[in-house]
Amino acid sequence: DAKTTQPPSMDCAEGRAANLPCNHSTISGNEYVYWYRQIHSQGPQYIIHGLKNNETNEMASLIITEDRKSSTLILPHATLRDTAVYYCIVRVAYTGTASKLTFGTGTRLQVTL
Amino acid sequence: SAVISQKPSRDICQRGTSLTIQCQVDSQVTMMFWYRQQPGQSLTLIATANQGSEATYESGFVIDKFPISRPNLTFSTLTVSNMSPEDSSIYLCSVEGDTSYNEQFFGPGTRLTVL
Repeated sequence: DAKTTQPPSMDCAEGRAANLPCNHSTISGNEYVYWYRQIHSQGPQYIIHGLKNNETNEMASLIITEDRKSSTLILPHATLRDTAVYYCIVRVAYTGTASKLTFGTGTRLQVTL
Repeated sequence: SAVISQKPSRDICQRGTSLTIQCQVDSQVTMMFWYRQQPGQSLTLIATANQGSEATYESGFVIDKFPISRPNLTFSTLTVSNMSPEDSSIYLCSVEGDTSYNEQFFGPGTRLTVL
């Protein structure tokens, strides 16, 4: 799987949008971008994924650049409960042993009042 | 989504002993994964467990140290053998969802401290 680069930490004021960047310059054509987050003392939680089009769900939006070498996860109205470590992962999206997740160091997002 | 439970949630063990961690899923799944998260670190995959076959271990992890059982499609165990303080970590199991998303669902983890 391709490697990703994320800033180690970010701060965001509650109610504002949190924009978390991720670089994946060696991503292959059949690899998707997945985002997970890990709230303290819990297991990671799936947020969203995409291939090349922008995606939105009830939790977040994912913006992928046209060359697919980077992406941004957007939490439109961050709350204190969004304080967590956010992981950007690239991998092929089919079942089997290749579906294992390779976690990088992630971005620690701190949402403040 | 899959609901995953793990037992125990935490334990404190003595050096040289072994601990078996259980992972129970509320639905049948083909593949289960075991991860380790050392203090302050990210998650590292230990092995992938398919029902009815030997687990597949990642580089740096061996069956003698981390034997895994997968007796049916809803259950798996990971044993941490002959423990040392370096084994102090959170151990998490995960399963793959049955949607086209291929997302993984994680258990709450087992926090292990070895003295």
